[in-house]
Amino acid sequence: QITLKESGPTRVNPTQTLTLTCTFSGFSLSSTRVGVAWIRQPPGEALEWLALIYWDDDKRYSPSLKSRLTVTKDTSKNQVVLTMTNMDPVDTATYYCAHIMVSFGGVEADDAFDIWGQGTMVTVSS
Amino acid sequence: QSALTQPRSVSGSPGQSVTISCTGTSSDVGYYDYVSWYQQYPGKAPKVMMSNVNKRPSGVPDRFSGSKSGNTASLTISGLQAEDEADYYCCSYVGRYSYVFGTGTKVTVL
Repeated sequence: QITLKESGPTRVNPTQTLTLTCTFSGFSLSSTRVGVAWIRQPPGEALEWLALIYWDDDKRYSPSLKSRLTVTKDTSKNQVVLTMTNMDPVDTATYYCAHIMVSFGGVEADDAFDIWGQGTMVTVSS
Repeated sequence: QSALTQPRSVSGSPGQSVTISCTGTSSDVGYYDYVSWYQQYPGKAPKVMMSNVNKRPSGVPDRFSGSKSGNTASLTISGLQAEDEADYYCCSYVGRYSYVFGTGTKVTVL
């Protein structure tokens, strides 16, 4: 059974750096075609894809936020860490991590975010 | 990349069918068959309802179906039920191992 859980501060000050951790179980991020994504949702607004780290340590970022985001993985701890610099009140949102298995090397997969964490709400305010 | 365009809301009576559209471009929805759909209840995490345009994950009722034509993907709910009232989001692969979500649609069961 795959599970993911986000953790981190519930509140950060403007201009500070946010660090969120996604701790997962039930799969290995060293297995081919596996990835973990970060997705956020401001209150009352739509989902926004932020970043994705793959089994081979390939990292992809939303073009609009690329300069502020860094995603890393610790395979031994089953964790993925997202850092976002220069936080602003507009970054107030629920942040989710999610599992994905992608098509690769001629092997088809669902290419969908099939398991999500419960989400963690982050408020940016002084 | 810009968010995919969805209608803000759709509604239907129990038993009716509703269709949610998701419009992208020839570089995302129109090019790849990696469109997925998510259902989200208030205060809850999204749940995948469809992958690869029309592949229904295990446990998803067969009244949910997906399709694509050109740059527009669609999710149809047939035989609408009260429990289907939720927000729905589409998502598309956009190349370079990256993704984009839609603007979201609120489905109301009248």
